Amino acid sequence: AQSVAQPEDQVNVAEGNPLTVKCTYSVSGNPYLFWYVQYPNRGLQFLLKYITGDNLVKGSYGFEAEFNKSQTSFHLKKPSALVSDSALYFCAVRDMRNAGNMLTFGGGTRLMVKP
Amino acid sequence: DADVTQTPRNRITKTGKRIMLECSQTKGHDRMYWYRQDPGLGLRLIYYSFDVKDINKGEISDGYSVSRQAQAKFSLSLESAIPNQTALYFCATSEAGTVNTGELFFGEGSRLTVL
Repeated sequence: AQSVAQPEDQVNVAEGNPLTVKCTYSVSGNPYLFWYVQYPNRGLQFLLKYITGDNLVKGSYGFEAEFNKSQTSFHLKKPSALVSDSALYFCAVRDMRNAGNMLTFGGGTRLMVKP
Repeated sequence: DADVTQTPRNRITKTGKRIMLECSQTKGHDRMYWYRQDPGLGLRLIYYSFDVKDINKGEISDGYSVSRQAQAKFSLSLESAIPNQTALYFCATSEAGTVNTGELFFGEGSRLTVL
């Protein structure tokens, strides 16, 4: 079975400060890992993914995430937060061996960036 | 126009009523999904379809049914709605085949309230 944990319901940061949204995962094999963002009254939008290769992956809107196999983590980061980054963020995982291609999502973390 | 369109966007109904949520897509993807979003629980998979003749239950299919009318259309039905089906429902699509890493493309959601 595969699972994802996002330990923080909400993260508060000041504009201009770095931000981190945490994610840990559990899969039997090797993971495909994803971050999605949900703005108010909108569907989820893809931000970035880790499939293989470099542990640091870069995505949309200046976000990046670091894959750490030993800690089974895939934390989302941004060097300088913007008020417009305020949204709900979801981490998701799929076991590479899962031919059904089902993603398992975490419970979401609300990011609040204050001016 | 959105690539994945859901109708209705909002619906209020009463216990015991039959409700249908519709999804259509212009991305040309074979795979379509219905998810349910509840606060703190992330997204949970209700049903998925890999092509017109393929329908599969997800982790929370009880009380729901689906129909894949065409490659581009996938509808979700609640035969007899109950209050704990009050949620935000999302349709999503993805590519098939080995190039598919699991990235999903979401509609903007259908908010259902069952009184």
